Amino acid sequence: DTEVTQTPKHLVMGMTNKKSLKCEQHMGHRAMYWYKQKAKKPPELMFVYSYEKLSINESVPSRFSPECPNSSLLNLHLHALQPEDSALYLCASSHHILNSGNTIYFGEGSWLTVV
Amino acid sequence: GQQVMQIPQYQHVQEGEDFTTYCNSSTTLSNIQWYKQRPGGHPVFLIQLVKSGEVKKQKRLTFQFGEAKKNSSLHITATQTTDVGTYFCAGPTGTASKLTFGTGTRLQVTL
Repeated sequence: DTEVTQTPKHLVMGMTNKKSLKCEQHMGHRAMYWYKQKAKKPPELMFVYSYEKLSINESVPSRFSPECPNSSLLNLHLHALQPEDSALYLCASSHHILNSGNTIYFGEGSWLTVV
Repeated sequence: GQQVMQIPQYQHVQEGEDFTTYCNSSTTLSNIQWYKQRPGGHPVFLIQLVKSGEVKKQKRLTFQFGEAKKNSSLHITATQTTDVGTYFCAGPTGTASKLTFGTGTRLQVTL
């Protein structure tokens, strides 16, 4: 069982909708991540937050907007998505950013379908 | 950019047979991590290797980090159907706080 909780587990949204994915961890981790995973592919990094500040944006389109309200929460706001954005969105956390050799722990993911 | 390749892409074994997946990075890694993802599931952390030439065992799983810290392997002895899934290696890249995943090896085990 993972200690990183993601909601919702499944989401179907239209291309004009606005929705949000939510992630929560209570392990005291100060680094949080959003990954995107397409079928039969490895996870790809989208964003990294370190101490609630955006540390990395992997050139993600602006229709994806991350937010870190506090050290335990991470949101991903979705607006005007395209069908090709359909994927598994994984939240993860680690004690600190990865340069320290910390491992990251994934949530169960949110399966997103854009119609 | 850094690339992390794994071979084979897919392997189908009969229960009881051994299995090995190999991970190769284009650059030296400070550490390497291994994850298992069951079908329909999320990546689950298995182990981290840090030292050159390090070998770690978890029951039937043996993990090795190469001397040059650019490659790694995972060997499963006497596979079971519970071993089914995709195994990913992953390593941090450069100065960025980024974990780059290998291409993954999908393991299928049948009775």
